[in-house]
Amino acid sequence: SQKIEQNSEALNIQEGKTATLTCNYTNYSPAYLQWYRQDPGRGPVFLLLIRENEKEKRKERLKVTFDTTLKQSLFHITASQPADSATYLCALDETGGFKTIFGAGTRLFVKA
Amino acid sequence: GAVVSQHPSWVICKSGTSVKIECRSLDFQATTMFWYRQFPKQSLMLMATSNEGSKATYEQGVEKDKFLINHASLTLSTLTVTSAHPEDSSFYICSAKPTTGRNEKLFFGSGTQLSVL
Repeated sequence: SQKIEQNSEALNIQEGKTATLTCNYTNYSPAYLQWYRQDPGRGPVFLLLIRENEKEKRKERLKVTFDTTLKQSLFHITASQPADSATYLCALDETGGFKTIFGAGTRLFVKA
Repeated sequence: GAVVSQHPSWVICKSGTSVKIECRSLDFQATTMFWYRQFPKQSLMLMATSNEGSKATYEQGVEKDKFLINHASLTLSTLTVTSAHPEDSSFYICSAKPTTGRNEKLFFGSGTQLSVL
């Protein structure tokens, strides 16, 4: 069966450090993968999309990698700030691109 | 950027009543909208896919007579929780994909917290 797995344990890091979140998937062959941020009591907000032919993508302090051989994406936040504290979700479209399926998300806490 | 408005943000209702939640795409058209349910500290669970002008497609285990979805225009989808019971209390979120352009990413509403007494 198709699965998207994210580390369910919360990630606690010190301000200024780099946070690295992992997303693994099985039984998918996605053309692209997405990362979203969700704050408590709010809807998710799109952050980055990376395509299968892209190894890495950056946006300001964010960096995403996509390894289709390992079936894994890594999401990095450099120079992390307390305001980066949130839940980060990875998402894949099912074959045909009709439905987007989300991982369970990883909660990130950045301590000042 | 694309904005999705969801209303109300929160609602408290008595058991047995029906509650309607609206999801509007404010600056783009969306042929397809999605409805999710989320329990505390859990991920988004897709309930149904709403298609403008046609019947919604429900995920397995979601009662279509319980959760009525209407997508009457390219900018509005509604979810009605009929005869709500305490177990329906949850956070409901809608999302939309733009009809035109590269429509891979989703734009989400801010969610509706439903509490059924």
